[in-house]
Amino acid sequence: GESVGLHLPTLSVQEGDNSIINCAYSNSASDYFIWYKQESGKGPQFIIDIRSNMDKRQGQRVTVLLNKTVKHLSLQIAATQPGDSAVYFCAENIQATDKLIFGTGTRLQVFP
Amino acid sequence: GAVVSQHPSRVICKSGTSVKIECRSLDFQATTMFWYRQFPKQSLMLMATSNEGSKATYEQGVEKDKFLINHASLTLSTLTVTSAHPEDSSFYICSAIDSGKRTDTQYFGPGTRLTVL
Repeated sequence: GESVGLHLPTLSVQEGDNSIINCAYSNSASDYFIWYKQESGKGPQFIIDIRSNMDKRQGQRVTVLLNKTVKHLSLQIAATQPGDSAVYFCAENIQATDKLIFGTGTRLQVFP
Repeated sequence: GAVVSQHPSRVICKSGTSVKIECRSLDFQATTMFWYRQFPKQSLMLMATSNEGSKATYEQGVEKDKFLINHASLTLSTLTVTSAHPEDSSFYICSAIDSGKRTDTQYFGPGTRLTVL
């Protein structure tokens, strides 16, 4: 997919609050979705994934929701901590390929 | 487990020179690796799929003669940026899929910052 713009959307939350990061994906043939966290100057770090036969999956402090009808994915982070500050990307895997298409990303800023 | 390394982490070169970046899977074998490029404040863009023992598959718009990929072993893929120019300055990231597992999870390396003067 193409990246658009030079300014990442930013979500600012207070420490302890819950965060919700949204992502719209484009390909209805995608059957696997992943959320990655990227800190400055580092590679993406796997957070959580979900297959298209599910609509919700929970991990430790994180939950991913998938709405295939509107092609929407969200990442919920409970009790957000300063260490959660990073850029978050959703990625979709096109069915029958290994390729990942990354979304544009959202910067999460956590303030005390 | 599932650690991917890249070398070098940073490289500065003069315009017109070639630069080689290595991607290694340290504790697993990877038949398939991927190379991405990321410009500042932008997302990761897939450049090519690196296949062990065969030619890489390049995404549309990526010049295969400029970005040479070699995947000679199950733990190493290299990306060579030939005749680098300032517009090639970017963050290059590789990922690898564990051949021994059924999942297609990609494990990412830490990235290589290339600056072309």
